[in-house]
Amino acid sequence: NAGVTQTPKFRVLKTGQSMTLLCAQDMNHEYMYWYRQDPGMGLRLIHYSVGEGTTAKGEVPDGYNVSRLKKQNFLLGLESAAPSQTSVYFCASSDPGQGNNEQFFGPGTRLTVL
Amino acid sequence: GENVEQHPSTLSVQEGDSAVIKCTYSDSASNYFPWYKQELGKRPQLIIDIRSNVGEKKDQRIAVTLNKTAKHFSLHITETQPEDSAVYFCAASEGNNFNKFYFGSGTKLNVKP
Repeated sequence: NAGVTQTPKFRVLKTGQSMTLLCAQDMNHEYMYWYRQDPGMGLRLIHYSVGEGTTAKGEVPDGYNVSRLKKQNFLLGLESAAPSQTSVYFCASSDPGQGNNEQFFGPGTRLTVL
Repeated sequence: GENVEQHPSTLSVQEGDSAVIKCTYSDSASNYFPWYKQELGKRPQLIIDIRSNVGEKKDQRIAVTLNKTAKHFSLHITETQPEDSAVYFCAASEGNNFNKFYFGSGTKLNVKP
């Protein structure tokens, strides 16, 4: 039982390049989330999903797109990376249907955009 | 949207002392308030949470209090230990949506042995 995993762990991009971050969970959770963490700013929600095939905007969605084609996977895409997107990205999952609102986080992806 | 403010940004205590971290929120409809602990280089992990129908909740050395009228909630850690050193984040739900949180900016707690 791996919990929540993220790929890759580190990545360096040049401005304008694109990439996709992959999040996978093996806990059969319905909800999945993407956050970014910047120094002094806590965690900010980018997009989230309440089930397979659904996505919704969070607090800071601009410049990102997401897809939830399979229940266990949640992809975060950057179409044209900018230096302002340099951050640590965390994926999380939860299953409120089990009466538990705890969000389980992945290990994070450190992204640098030059 | 919700605005969550957290204080202090850094807190240094002697081992065995108590630590208190305070948060305020702006949306009176918020109903769920979790606290997460993040050790250096690690992922955030839930340590305690409270819902709006409860004023206080305890779990061993950790307690959370909630004042809905004043829109603030606090984390209390008693008998601090060096392994309590970490960054602590409070969060508030978006109204009744217990699965959409707004996080505070974090408190770096340093417990000196």
